[in-house]
Amino acid sequence: GQQVMQIPQYQHVQEGEDFTTYCNSSTTLSNIQWYKQRPGGHPVFLIQLVKSGEVKKQKRLTFQFGEAKKNSSLHITATQTTDVGTYFCAGRAGSYQLTFGKGTKLSVIP
Amino acid sequence: GAVVSQHPSRVICKSGTSVKIECRSLDFQATTMFWYRQFPKKSLMLMATSNEGSKATYEQGVEKDKFLINHASLTLSTLTVTSAHPEDSSFYICSARDLINTEAFFGQGTRLTVV
Repeated sequence: GQQVMQIPQYQHVQEGEDFTTYCNSSTTLSNIQWYKQRPGGHPVFLIQLVKSGEVKKQKRLTFQFGEAKKNSSLHITATQTTDVGTYFCAGRAGSYQLTFGKGTKLSVIP
Repeated sequence: GAVVSQHPSRVICKSGTSVKIECRSLDFQATTMFWYRQFPKKSLMLMATSNEGSKATYEQGVEKDKFLINHASLTLSTLTVTSAHPEDSSFYICSARDLINTEAFFGQGTRLTVV
């Protein structure tokens, strides 16, 4: 079945440093979504990427979808303590369901 | 965004008993609902997909007789953990989508502890 691999599993950064999490799918995706889960909370939708090579920005967050539509990345510039949480990618390959990566847990040291 | 309400948020039950978790879409028609289980390392594992009025489709390795899913209306799906055991203790999250939106809207999750 479809697999979505996400790395790294954990990332500790000093406040102000950049952060990147990567997502790779075993199959070509129709779209990929990113979610953020704050400690003790539930996943909240951040963005969806659909087109090959697509790049979208949300303030300090930059999302990329690979040309082959099998990988994606989320980059945060100049992290803040409010960025703390677990970031999940979730890929859809033509069916209704989303296959989630294991998530990257981000800790920001003030 | 759309609102999905999940209840209860926490439940403690004795081994051998059954627990029902409800997932409601409050302001849209959830034609499809998903049930996930979240393990301690924070990965989300899809358990089953249910379409309104149809039997749920379970992922490989998920016991359908143990995790009963009902999606009888466009706004409500339930997950019943039958004859719960301590290894069933986990965080269960539902999500829902309608025919238009491709993103999944999540409930707040249910922390189940079986003692």
